[in-house]
Amino acid sequence: DTGVSQDPRHKITKRGQNVTFRCDPISEHNRLYWYRQTLGQGPEFLTYFQNEAQLEKSRLLSDRFSAERPKGSFSTLEIQRTEQGDSAMYLCASSLGGTGAAVDYFGQGTRLTVV
Amino acid sequence: KQEVTQIPAALSVPEGENLVLNCSFTDSAIYNLQWFRQDPGKGLTSLLLIQSSQREQTSGRLNASLDKSSGRSTLYIAASQPGDSATYLCAVRMDSSYKLIFGSGTRLLVRP
Repeated sequence: DTGVSQDPRHKITKRGQNVTFRCDPISEHNRLYWYRQTLGQGPEFLTYFQNEAQLEKSRLLSDRFSAERPKGSFSTLEIQRTEQGDSAMYLCASSLGGTGAAVDYFGQGTRLTVV
Repeated sequence: KQEVTQIPAALSVPEGENLVLNCSFTDSAIYNLQWFRQDPGKGLTSLLLIQSSQREQTSGRLNASLDKSSGRSTLYIAASQPGDSATYLCAVRMDSSYKLIFGSGTRLLVRP
């Protein structure tokens, strides 16, 4: 397995446009997370899926953000009407839930720049 | 609300030194704690995971300890090398939630 894959790696968009990012987790992992990271800070949690169910969402996730994980496989994160403050690295992670020893595997991230 | 703090924010050491990175958290009801490494512009790689019932974990030149009652963890790197230069992030997972809560990281530079 090649690990967690994110696409695209970089995205430049104009303010007000919609963008969608894709994450392909490690195939047997039932847990999938989205985080956002700005320069010099640690990642901040956005949302969590167990299989296809979205079980937790951050209050940071405004109504312009939506995430899906159809059939419990890949996930998409959409940002509508982008703002300059949305510029950040968007990271996806997956893990195999069930024990306290489950390690989180991160993708390389999608860097979003809103101009 | 859980808060994770990492000290120092940045560290520069000569090659070969042993060093300690610190992580503290305010709520001791954690499920586990992970130390990650992040290279510039890249994703995170998990280095060590310590479950709440454990005191330490070791992998090669790395050793991480956990003291839940005092809300502290340390990452010890032995015989540092220039390839260890990166940002090191500490993250906790709570008993009551699935998400990871991160500190701001320690940027490490190991000088040849």
